Amino acid sequence: EVQLVQSGAEVKKPGESLKISCKGSGYSFTSYWIGWVRQMPGKGLEWMGIIYPGDSDTRYSPSFQGQVTISADKSITTVYLQWSSLKASDSAMYYCAKGAPFDNWGQGTLVTVSS
Amino acid sequence: DIQVTQSPSSLSASVGDRVTITCRASQVISNYLAWYQQKPGKLPKLLIYAASTLQSGVPSRFSGSGSGTDFTLTISSLQPEDVATYYCQKYNSVLWTFGQGTKVEIK
Repeated sequence: EVQLVQSGAEVKKPGESLKISCKGSGYSFTSYWIGWVRQMPGKGLEWMGIIYPGDSDTRYSPSFQGQVTISADKSITTVYLQWSSLKASDSAMYYCAKGAPFDNWGQGTLVTVSS
Repeated sequence: DIQVTQSPSSLSASVGDRVTITCRASQVISNYLAWYQQKPGKLPKLLIYAASTLQSGVPSRFSGSGSGTDFTLTISSLQPEDVATYYCQKYNSVLWTFGQGTKVEIK
C-alpha cells in the first residue's frame, strides 16, 4: 500500500526556521515526483514545487522560489520542505503528494507561525 | 507561465442535476490536465487524469473532456456526497498550477 506520512503539527515564532518531512513507502520512491501543496485557511490549493528523488531534479513555483527549499533523502525515502525564516503568512496546512498528477497524498502538516 | 482559469467559482444545483465545471489554460497543454475533489476537512482526491481518464474507484458519474486549452469536468447526476470543492491542475512542463477551485453545493 502506498503511504505518505508527514511529520506532525508545528507551532513556531516569526523568524524561526523549520523543516517538515514526508516519508514515502509502498512504492519505488526514486521513480515518482513528490510535490508540496499549500492550503491556507479557507483557501484553495497552491502548488509550491516538486522533486524527483531519483536525481533530485527540483522545480519551484515562482511564488515560492527563494522562500522555501525542497529536498530529498533517498536512503530514508523522505522528502523535506524547509524555511529559513518563517513569517506569519506561512501559517497553513502543507500537503505532500506523489506522482504526475498527484495520486496519493500525505495527511497534511499544520504549520502555525505566531508571536 | 501558463495560467489556469477555472469557472465558475461556485455553483448550487439540485440532486440529480448535470453539473459542468470548466478549466482553461493560457497555452496548449495537450491533455496534461487533472481534476481533484476536496471535501470539507478532507484530503484532496484525484478524480481524473490525462483530461479524461477516470482514476480507479471514482464513480462513473464523473467524467472529463477536452484537450489543448479547454477542459471540462462533468458530474452527470449530482449526489449529496459530491458536495466539495473541485480543482483542476495542469501537470506538464516545469510548473504544475492549480485552478482557483469551484465550490459545489446542493440547492
